[in-house]
Amino acid sequence: DIQMTQSPSTLSASVGDRVTITCRASQSISSWLAWYQQKPGKAPKLLIHKASSLESGVPSRFSGSGSGTEFTLTISSLQPDDFATYYCQQYNSYSQFGQGTKVEIK
Amino acid sequence: EVQLVESGGGLIQPGGSLRLSCAASGFTVSSNYMSWVRQAPGKGLEWVSVIYSGGSSYYADSVKGRFTISRDNSKNTLYLQMNSLRAEDTAVYYCARDPRLYGSSWPYFDYWGQGTLVTVSS
Repeated sequence: DIQMTQSPSTLSASVGDRVTITCRASQSISSWLAWYQQKPGKAPKLLIHKASSLESGVPSRFSGSGSGTEFTLTISSLQPDDFATYYCQQYNSYSQFGQGTKVEIK
Repeated sequence: EVQLVESGGGLIQPGGSLRLSCAASGFTVSSNYMSWVRQAPGKGLEWVSVIYSGGSSYYADSVKGRFTISRDNSKNTLYLQMNSLRAEDTAVYYCARDPRLYGSSWPYFDYWGQGTLVTVSS
């Protein structure tokens, strides 16, 4: 199984901050990585697929980068609606999610 | 508009069986890859199973041999038959769609249902 490790587990930030979340795979997954946002009691929402392809309707302040084993999700200027938990997911071989990164208000 | 509506969750004793349904609208279930993803209370996401348009299916090791994914094309509905349930199967179960048509790549998910809670407890 491919293991996905996100860091940090929790991130405290303020509105307007630039935020970066890292996701590492235990072996190369090429660019087969997606990022999701989940708010309490709600289903996850797809933000990015294929490592850097922004889903239609997702604000451009979200961006993804990386390939192989190291990936990042960046929020260029954190907005109030962005406080949530973020998950990466590899879909190179079967599917595994990272453990999640909670972005909370500082 | 794409919609996914799960049903069938509830409280079940260990060793019991349950069948979840996911009624789809706005697209054809048989054309897209369709998956079940679960989330234990307060925990992260876990992919459970996928069924491809050609009918082939795959499972996470944690449910292999106990769960079966299927679909009814006439009802445009996805199912998850869960047998030999264990306490660790307690979770919200989501059905989710991969946007790609046909093929057999491993899935990612552009649309999700609202989830249905399965609680396995005596």
